[in-house]
Amino acid sequence: EAQLVESGGGLVQPGGSLRLSCAASGFSFSSYWMHWVRQAPGKGPVWVSRIKGDGRETSYADSVKGRFTISRDNAKNMVYLQMNSLTVEDTAVYFCTVDRVYYGLDVWGQGTTVIVSS
Amino acid sequence: QSALTQPASVSGSPGQSITISCTGTSSDVGGYDYVSWYQQHPDTAPKLMIYDVSNRPFGVSDRFSGSKSGNTASLTISGLQTEDEADYYCSSYTRRKTWVFGGGTGVTVL
Repeated sequence: EAQLVESGGGLVQPGGSLRLSCAASGFSFSSYWMHWVRQAPGKGPVWVSRIKGDGRETSYADSVKGRFTISRDNAKNMVYLQMNSLTVEDTAVYFCTVDRVYYGLDVWGQGTTVIVSS
Repeated sequence: QSALTQPASVSGSPGQSITISCTGTSSDVGGYDYVSWYQQHPDTAPKLMIYDVSNRPFGVSDRFSGSKSGNTASLTISGLQTEDEADYYCSSYTRRKTWVFGGGTGVTVL
């Protein structure tokens, strides 16, 4: 069974950094685009970033471009989100998700919570 | 990238059919057959219900169907059931090689 498990969330001050991790299992990890999606309290999901299976192509939402970096380690079945220059607007649950059906996010993690506050 | 436009709420009685619209532009919904729909119950992760406009993942009830006309995609739920009460979000691939979600629609089963 395909599974995604996020970690690395927490409380961070404005201007700080955090690195989220996502461990994948149960599917051919290196074959698929991996995505990060976030959801602020009481709001809808917002797409953040994606990375191609071989790691050679990435894209970002305008709101995080230049501050966030997505990466992956196919040997470890891991995907990461390095978040720098965090603001209160980055406070959200961050979900790791995969597109195995081209195009739909068919497996989601449970999410990891990021709170940016002084 | 502006969010796709969805109605805030839709309601129906058990057994009825409801349709949720999702309006974008020619740069996203209208430009690609890459619209997906997600169901989200409180405090859970979204669940994929429809991908590529009208395809259902394995295990999703055939009461859920999707379509698209121009810049507007639609999700129809037939034979509405109490367990269908949830928030629904559309999403689309965009010309900028990003994805965008809709603002969400709350479905109430009366």
